[in-house]
Amino acid sequence: AQSVTQPDIHITVSEGASLELRCNYSYGATPYLFWYVQSPGQGLQLLLKYFSGDTLVQGIKGFEAEFKRSQSSFNLRKPSVHWSDAAEYFCAVVSGGSYIPTFGRGTSLIVHP
Amino acid sequence: SQTIHQWPATLVQPVGSPLSLECTVEGTSNPNLYWYRQAAGRGLQLLFYSVGIGQISSEVPQNLSASRPQDRQFILSSKKLLLSDSGFYLCAWTTGLSGNTIYFGEGSWLTVV
Repeated sequence: AQSVTQPDIHITVSEGASLELRCNYSYGATPYLFWYVQSPGQGLQLLLKYFSGDTLVQGIKGFEAEFKRSQSSFNLRKPSVHWSDAAEYFCAVVSGGSYIPTFGRGTSLIVHP
Repeated sequence: SQTIHQWPATLVQPVGSPLSLECTVEGTSNPNLYWYRQAAGRGLQLLFYSVGIGQISSEVPQNLSASRPQDRQFILSSKKLLLSDSGFYLCAWTTGLSGNTIYFGEGSWLTVV
């Protein structure tokens, strides 16, 4: 069965600092990988996704993620965080042949001015 | 373009009362539809999914039920709410199989008192 681990429940960064949110998955083959962002009281918005090809994926709002097969990871990065990036971030994986994603428990990003 | 509508946005219901949350998708046909619940400070829990009219799969046994009376309509119901049913409910959809992106509605806040 597929699983997703987001080891950090909370991450605190200063505005302007770089950011990396970790995501590890467990699945035998190459899965489909996603990052979503959720502002308080809102639905989830897709930031980026990886299906195949280039392992460095660019998304909206200046985010990027890198798929590393050897580490079973799909970490989300941003070079300079803005206060508006404070939100909950979810990593998700869908295995080939499935239409049901598995979500990580989420990482709450706190941005200090 | 495809859009998803979910309502009501917020509701406060007494214990033992019924529940009906509705979700509709526009701009697509034969979507896969999902209901998730997000308890306060916790991740996403898949409750139900549907791949076609009248086809409902339940992931978690509980006092909730789901129905899909039309192709792009998905309803979450309960005959008698429990305090533990409080949470943030999210409807989502995707098309096709295997790894397609899931898109979320704006969510419904349910408080059972």
